Amino acid sequence: GDSVTQMEGPVTLSEEAFLTINCTYTATGYPSLFWYVQYPGEGLQLLLKATKADDKGSNKGFEATYRKETTSFHLEKGSVQVSDSAVYFCALEMTGGFKTIFGAGTRLFVKA
Amino acid sequence: DTGVSQDPRHKITKRGQNVTFRCDPISEHNRLYWYRQTLGQGPEFLTYFQNEAQLEKSRLLSDRFSAERPKGSFSTLEIQRTEQGDSAMYLCASSPQIWLGRGETQYFGPGTRLLVL
Repeated sequence: GDSVTQMEGPVTLSEEAFLTINCTYTATGYPSLFWYVQYPGEGLQLLLKATKADDKGSNKGFEATYRKETTSFHLEKGSVQVSDSAVYFCALEMTGGFKTIFGAGTRLFVKA
Repeated sequence: DTGVSQDPRHKITKRGQNVTFRCDPISEHNRLYWYRQTLGQGPEFLTYFQNEAQLEKSRLLSDRFSAERPKGSFSTLEIQRTEQGDSAMYLCASSPQIWLGRGETQYFGPGTRLLVL
């Protein structure tokens, strides 16, 4: 069945470091792909999304490109800040329905 | 825009009791989702409503679980004969229906944390 696998955390970086959080998926058809973020003490919120192959989602300096050939949607940011410390979830919306499957989440700590 | 609200925020119950949670979506959103999240895991899809119609239901949703959205506005999730394994955060999300309806952003509520003793 459809699934999402993302790199395990926690990931600890120093401020201004480059961030990559890997996400790969297994799905039939053409799912939509998402990154959601949960900041400490807050609810889940959308960070970015892409709805078709080769689309790039971007927001707040984060980017991810929908790669159908490698079934991946890796999250990147060129220079992280302490305020980016959060849990990041990769997710896919299944083709032909609205069921959304989330990865297990990757916790990011950014040190000043 | 008041966002998605959930009530209660916390619930402690004894094994075997029934519990009911309420979700109020963003007012113009006709899609509503329920998820369950356990510690260290991502949200697991439970069910989806489009207006008052329950269109998808996960196999995770056993016979003890039922969800309703009677007038296409708020929704309730009931768990009967609770078990300790039901302890989790129950999340509600809503989204608008836009043309073709694919890849819409889901707006999440704060969740109801259930502890079954």
